[in-house]
Amino acid sequence: EDQVTQSPEALRLQEGESSSLNCSYTVSGLRGLFWYRQDPGKGPEFLFTLYSAGEEKEKERLKATLTKKESFLHITAPKPEDSATYLCARGIREKLTFGTGTRLTIIP
Amino acid sequence: DTAVSQTPKYLVTQMGNDKSIKCEQNLGHDTMYWYKQDSKKFLKIMFSYNNKELIINETVPNRFSPKSPDKAHLNLHINSLELGDSAVYFCASSQYVALAKNIQYFGAGTRLSVL
Repeated sequence: EDQVTQSPEALRLQEGESSSLNCSYTVSGLRGLFWYRQDPGKGPEFLFTLYSAGEEKEKERLKATLTKKESFLHITAPKPEDSATYLCARGIREKLTFGTGTRLTIIP
Repeated sequence: DTAVSQTPKYLVTQMGNDKSIKCEQNLGHDTMYWYKQDSKKFLKIMFSYNNKELIINETVPNRFSPKSPDKAHLNLHINSLELGDSAVYFCASSQYVALAKNIQYFGAGTRLSVL
């Protein structure tokens, strides 16, 4: 069965302290790796889609990268407003399989 | 204007009752979805519809029945509610079925509590 694993489960950073979140998956045949952000009490909000190993995408302080078996979401000099749960999902057979997310807290 | 709207936002009910959650999208999308997010925040797809046709039906108990009266609406009816149905249910929509172009837009969720 498809599995998407995210680590760490939770991460607390000081404002300005850069770090990376990891998303790994076990089944081959990737048809898109997606990153979403979810704020408390809200639905997930799309951030990035990556399709091939070596691909990178950036948005403000976030950069997503993709290898054959994992993706990283790099957060550079984060601000408190970056606090959220970050979900990754892989696409297969016209559906998304989500990981359980990384809860990121940025302390001012 | 909210792109994907769900009602109600909160739903508290007794075991054995039947309830419905409504979803509407004003994005002009062809595809709509229902997801369940459990207490550990794990988000799992339940159903997807494309132009009112069922595309994905995961291993969901048949107490759950989606209904799509038109491509802008996808409602979820749940019969004989059980304690394990307590979760947050999200509706989503996308312009395409194909994953290569599949940005999904989510509603704010319906928190269902079964007592």
